Amino acid sequence: DAGITQSPRHKVTETGTPVTLRCHQTENHRYMYWYRQDPGHGLRLIHYSYGVKDTDKGEVSDGYSVSRSKTEDFLLTLESATSSQTSVYFCAINSGGASDTQYFGPGTRLTVL
Amino acid sequence: EDKVVQSPLSLVVHEGDTVTLNCSYEVTNFRSLLWYKQEKKAPTFLFMLTSSGIEKKSGRLSSILDKKELFSILNITATQTGDSAVYLCAVSIQGAQKLVFGQGTRLTINP
Repeated sequence: DAGITQSPRHKVTETGTPVTLRCHQTENHRYMYWYRQDPGHGLRLIHYSYGVKDTDKGEVSDGYSVSRSKTEDFLLTLESATSSQTSVYFCAINSGGASDTQYFGPGTRLTVL
Repeated sequence: EDKVVQSPLSLVVHEGDTVTLNCSYEVTNFRSLLWYKQEKKAPTFLFMLTSSGIEKKSGRLSSILDKKELFSILNITATQTGDSAVYLCAVSIQGAQKLVFGQGTRLTINP
């Protein structure tokens, strides 16, 4: 168990509503990531963080924003959810330095109607 | 653009068979290659490979990297139904501290 939790674990929302997903870690790791997973696409990076208030875009960042005000929390916000954002969202952590291994949270299944 | 391609995308075999999963990559600055196993939940880490030709082994699973030909294989011998999962390959980019994932191979082991 890598000490990562995600909330909520399941959410159903309507098009146009804002949604915030939370990732919480107890490992004090520097790097945190948000991915989405869709059939046929593996895991695609949305945004990542390399420290408090330090974030950068991934390959599929359009329509998403993130914030990291504390080491342990990384929030993903969909400002105005669309049906194309229906997906499973995974958070991951990495200690940085020489380690490339990322450890994943349990995932959040989001459905946008 | 950094790219990781896995093949086959789907594979169905019988229990006891040996399987080989493939991962090829084209990236700007390779640092390492990682394999993950994903059952009906979060991906779990299997191996990380950084050097060509050195096999990593864990029980019935083994993996090797060829940095010249830009690919890796994951072998599973004497497969069991519990090996049924999606196997993900990812490449770490030098200086970026992030992973690029392939599409995954869905492996189904029938009893």
